[in-house]
Amino acid sequence: GDSVTQMEGPVTLSEEAFLTINCTYTATGYPSLFWYVQYPGEGLQLLLKATKADDKGSNKGFEATYRKETTSFHLEKGSVQVSDSAVYFCALRSAGSGGYQKVTFGIGTKLQVIP
Amino acid sequence: GAGVSQSPRYKVAKRGQDVALRCDPISGHVSLFWYQQALGQGPEFLTYFQNEAQLDKSGLPSDRFFAERPEGSVSTLKIQRTQQEDSAVYLCASSLGSPYNEQFFGPGTRLTVL
Repeated sequence: GDSVTQMEGPVTLSEEAFLTINCTYTATGYPSLFWYVQYPGEGLQLLLKATKADDKGSNKGFEATYRKETTSFHLEKGSVQVSDSAVYFCALRSAGSGGYQKVTFGIGTKLQVIP
Repeated sequence: GAGVSQSPRYKVAKRGQDVALRCDPISGHVSLFWYQQALGQGPEFLTYFQNEAQLDKSGLPSDRFFAERPEGSVSTLKIQRTQQEDSAVYLCASSLGSPYNEQFFGPGTRLTVL
């Protein structure tokens, strides 16, 4: 079945440091790939997405590129801020039974940015 | 409403009790999903509705779990005879009818079974 593997946290960085959170996936067919963010006390929010190979998703300074050859979708940001502290989930969407697109999540990586 | 809402936000139950968790999707959203998120884990799919029809319940962990959406809007996830391993955050998400539409998540209900 489909699966997503992402680096375990927590990841602690100083403000303005460079961020990379690794994510690899296993899926049949051509899934769409996502990064979701969960701020403390809030629900999951879509951060960015890519629907086909070599697409780059970007939002709020975060970027991730869909690499089919390495089955990866690593999240990067050049300069993190304290407000980026949250849990980040890598996810893929593929065909499920019932005619819908099933979302499979990784375990989440907690990011803590210190001033 | 402006987003997906869930109630209660927190629920404490004694082992063996029945609980009911409510989800109010975004108005007009045809698709509704339930996920279970254990501590330190990512959300795991439980079940999917399109309008009032439950099209996939393959993720429900046991027959103690039951979900319904009788009028195609509000949904209730019911857990009978709760066990400690049921302790988790239960997330609801909704989306428009197309299979490729984004899922919008509610804040979740944190269930603790003592």
